[in-house]
Amino acid sequence: AQSVAQPEDQVNVAEGNPLTVKCTYSVSGNPYLFWYVQYPNRGLQFLLKYITGDNLVKGSYGFEAEFNKSQTSFHLKKPSALVSDSALYFCAVRVSGYSTLTFGKGTMLLVSP
Amino acid sequence: DAGITQSPRYKITETGRQVTLMCHQTWSHSYMFWYRQDLGHGLRLIYYSAAADITDKGEVPDGYVVSRSKTENFPLTLESATRSQTSVYFCASSEYGDGPYEQYFGPGTRLTVT
Repeated sequence: AQSVAQPEDQVNVAEGNPLTVKCTYSVSGNPYLFWYVQYPNRGLQFLLKYITGDNLVKGSYGFEAEFNKSQTSFHLKKPSALVSDSALYFCAVRVSGYSTLTFGKGTMLLVSP
Repeated sequence: DAGITQSPRYKITETGRQVTLMCHQTWSHSYMFWYRQDLGHGLRLIYYSAAADITDKGEVPDGYVVSRSKTENFPLTLESATRSQTSVYFCASSEYGDGPYEQYFGPGTRLTVT
């Protein structure tokens, strides 16, 4: 079985400040973890993924994510937020042997000028 | 254009009518997926397909039918639409199912059932 939790429905941050969007997961086995972003009236766009190895993963648009096995977390981060980062962010997990992704409920990120 | 497309983008239909949502991808990906997105539920998998003529149920398959006669197409049919099926529907594809392979999403179809 595999599940994902995004504990915050919304995250508010001022432009220029660092941002964190939280994700925790529960799997039996080693996980593959993904972050996606959805802009209004658009489909989901892939940001980054964790496979194995380095716990800090770098992705598109300056985003990065930190994998923490002991805390079963995969938080999305960016050192300096932009207003254009405002969007809905989804964390997803797949464990080896499964063909499907399980998504969290999403976190709305609002970056204020 | 390469990528994954969905049609129609917007659809209004009446309760009890049959409606088909189309999905087409140009990458020759083996796997294709249908999700619905609802407030408070995130994305939920309806059906997926590992190859032509191979389909399997996801988390919320009731009331939906899929087929996949060609690799590039994966239509989703609501046989008798209900108001609870009002949602935004996303199609996705990936080269492989298992493993660290991301899915690529279409732009979505917003369906309203009146």
